Amino acid sequence: GDSVTQMEGPVTLSEEAFLTINCTYTATGYPSLFWYVQYPGEGLQLLLKATKADDKGSNKGFEATYRKETTSFHLEKGSVQVSDSAVYFCALSGGANSKLTFGKGITLSVRP
Amino acid sequence: NAGVTQTPKFQVLKTGQSMTLQCAQDMNHNSMYWYRQDPGMGLRLIYYSASEGTTDKGEVPNGYNVSRLNKREFSLRLESAAPSQTSVYFCASSEYSGGITGELFFGEGSRLTVL
Repeated sequence: GDSVTQMEGPVTLSEEAFLTINCTYTATGYPSLFWYVQYPGEGLQLLLKATKADDKGSNKGFEATYRKETTSFHLEKGSVQVSDSAVYFCALSGGANSKLTFGKGITLSVRP
Repeated sequence: NAGVTQTPKFQVLKTGQSMTLQCAQDMNHNSMYWYRQDPGMGLRLIYYSASEGTTDKGEVPNGYNVSRLNKREFSLRLESAAPSQTSVYFCASSEYSGGITGELFFGEGSRLTVL
């Protein structure tokens, strides 16, 4: 079945550091890929998405590129801020009428 | 902008007690979901309702029941709570059932502790 694997956490960075969070997936067909973010005390919210190979999703300075050849969707940001401290989830959808499959999530802490 | 509203936000139960988590959305979405979030496990789907009048099991349905009361409301019931059900529960909704859009809208969560 479909699965999502995220790098182990937690991750602690200093403000303005470069961020990469790895995500790889296993799926049949051509899934859509997503990053969700959960700020402290809140529910998850969609950060960005990509629906086909080579698409780049972007939002709030974050980017991720759908790489079919490496089955990856790594999240990057050039300069993190304290306000980016949150839990980040990679997810995939196998297509119409399929449910989202989430990775385990990774906690990011950004120090001033 | 209410979005998805869950009640209660916190609850402590004793083993064997029952309770119902309530969820309502005001976005006229067709699909609704219940997830649980546990440390190191990510989010796991308990039950979902693709449309009004239908419900289906997710990844971890044992010990839970659901009711899609109408298009707005989707409740989760624990008939006989167990310590293994200590978790944070999230309700979510989407316009369509997953699919390529993938955008779920989540409530703020309900933290349940079973002693």
